[in-house]
Amino acid sequence: GQNIDQPTEMTATEGAIVQINCTYQTSGFNGLFWYQQHAGEAPTFLSYNVLDGLEEKGRFSSFLSRSKGYSYLLLKELQMKDSASYLCAVSNSNYQLIWGAGTKLIIKP
Amino acid sequence: DVKVTQSSRYLVKRTGEKVFLECVQDMDHENMFWYRQDPGLGLRLIYFSYDVKMKEKGDIPEGYSVSREKKERFSLILESASTNQTSMYLCASSFGDRSGANVLTFGAGSRLTVL
Repeated sequence: GQNIDQPTEMTATEGAIVQINCTYQTSGFNGLFWYQQHAGEAPTFLSYNVLDGLEEKGRFSSFLSRSKGYSYLLLKELQMKDSASYLCAVSNSNYQLIWGAGTKLIIKP
Repeated sequence: DVKVTQSSRYLVKRTGEKVFLECVQDMDHENMFWYRQDPGLGLRLIYFSYDVKMKEKGDIPEGYSVSREKKERFSLILESASTNQTSMYLCASSFGDRSGANVLTFGAGSRLTVL
């Protein structure tokens, strides 16, 4: 089967750095997405990786290793507004998106 | 500001009722999707459409149907609502070709409770 694994919940401190991991097993690979979803709101696009390596976008970075079936989202200089769920999704060989259950990130002052 | 708008944020329906969930996008996107989101599960695709009057089944189409009469509007229909369809329903849209890089724009969701 196809599956995406990510931690259910993580807690971090304001101003710190947190890394949210995502491992995947899919039939083929056409890219990996990270979305952010605040409680009661729409998921919004954060990043897309299709090649190995690190993509940096301000305080957020996303890393991909296709050989390991692994990605992480790195959030630096955490702010209270970063409290949200972070969804990992992989586009498989049929361009279907396979979604993880999401990681709820709690930021404490 | 580009937008995907879902007509109802909260609905409460009775078992057996017919339910319509409407979704409108103003970005001229070709692709539209309906997902459901349940605690502890990833988003699950119900139906999608790559063009007007086209529809394709997703992973969990049973108990649902869809309609896309106009490019900007994609409706999800529950012919006879059941309690196991209590969920958050998310509509999304994206541009054009079926490439891996298509970014989804989501609506804010419709939380349906079936009693």
